[in-house]
Amino acid sequence: QKEVEQNSGPLSVPEGAIASLNCTYSDRVSQSFFWYRQYSGKSPELIMSIYSNGDKEDGRFTAQLNKASQYVSLLIRDSQPSDSATYLCADFNTDKLIFGTGTRLQVFP
Amino acid sequence: DVKVTQSSRYLVKRTGEKVFLECVQDMDHENMFWYRQDPGLGLRLIYFSYDVKMKEKGDIPEGYSVSREKKERFSLILESASTNQTSMYLCASSLSPANEQYFGPGTRLTVT
Repeated sequence: QKEVEQNSGPLSVPEGAIASLNCTYSDRVSQSFFWYRQYSGKSPELIMSIYSNGDKEDGRFTAQLNKASQYVSLLIRDSQPSDSATYLCADFNTDKLIFGTGTRLQVFP
Repeated sequence: DVKVTQSSRYLVKRTGEKVFLECVQDMDHENMFWYRQDPGLGLRLIYFSYDVKMKEKGDIPEGYSVSREKKERFSLILESASTNQTSMYLCASSLSPANEQYFGPGTRLTVT
């Protein structure tokens, strides 16, 4: 069973701090990785995709991929209360995306 | 911007009814997907389609069928709704299978 694992949280961070969200995947052949944000009662919204080892930055968000260790992480700098949501990690494997169950992030003022 | 729309945000149906959920995307994407999302279980793939009139079973196809007569439209059909199909249903589309998927707003279906 190919799996994507995430800690369900909640991860609580103060406003202005760096939030670090982690994800591990089970299948070494996974090629593409995605982070989604999902507010309560809403649908997932794509934040970033990453395909190569290393870091990829987009505004306050940085995705990190380490294929040797089979983990993907998302860093959110200068966290805001509006970042409070569930963050889903997904990897593309064979013919479909495999989603983790998400990590709930709470940013408190 | 990619836009994926779903026919209803909220739907209440009775056990045994036939239910149609419609999804339309406007970005000429080849690939379309139907998921359901339940607390603690995450997103589970029901069916997907890589082309018109083509469909593939996902992880939980039992009790569902799909139709894709036009490239932009992908319909999910619950042949005889049951209470265990009460869920949030999410449609998504992508340019290719390995590309990012874009989700519609979701339909929260309640079967009583």
